[in-house]
Amino acid sequence: GNSVTQMEGPVTLSEEAFLTINCTYTATGYPSLFWYVQYPGEGLQLLLKATKADDKGSNKGFEATYRKETTSFHLEKGSVQVSDSAVYFCALSDPSLSGYSTLTFGKGTMLLVSP
Amino acid sequence: EPEVTQTPSHQVTQMGQEVILRCVPISNHLYFYWYRQILGQKVEFLVSFYNNEISEKSEIFDDQFSVERPDGSNFTLKIRSTKLEDSAMYFCASRGGARRASSNEQFFGPGTRLTVL
Repeated sequence: GNSVTQMEGPVTLSEEAFLTINCTYTATGYPSLFWYVQYPGEGLQLLLKATKADDKGSNKGFEATYRKETTSFHLEKGSVQVSDSAVYFCALSDPSLSGYSTLTFGKGTMLLVSP
Repeated sequence: EPEVTQTPSHQVTQMGQEVILRCVPISNHLYFYWYRQILGQKVEFLVSFYNNEISEKSEIFDDQFSVERPDGSNFTLKIRSTKLEDSAMYFCASRGGARRASSNEQFFGPGTRLTVL
């Protein structure tokens, strides 16, 4: 079956530091890949996505590249802010398994950014 | 901006009791989902719902669970006889668009924290 593995958190950084959150996946088909973010007290929000190999998703300074050869979709940001403190979830949707786009999530990685 | 809402934000119940978790999806969406996250574990898919019937469900979604869209706006998850291991955060999500558009965004609610004592 499909699975998503994320690095364990929390990740603790100072403001303006470089961020990487690793995500690797296992899928039987050709999945679409997503990063969702959950701010305290709120629901999951789509941060970015990529639908095929070598696509780069980007939003709010965050980027992730769909790497089929390494089955990875690592999240990066060049300079984090305190407001980026949240839990980040890597997820995939595999149309070969689900015709209704159900998502398979990783465990989530908490990011804490201090001033 | 339209959003998915869920009530209550926190539900405490005794083991063996029935609970109903409520969700109001985005109004023009056609596909609805429930996920849950047990503390410290992954967000897990429970069930998807389309055209007034269950379209997919996971192994977790056994006979104790049911879903309903009673009035065209609400989307509910019922647990008939709660167990301690049902304690989790339950997320509702909705999606518009074509069935096989796996890249279509699912919009999530803020979740209901269910605590079974």
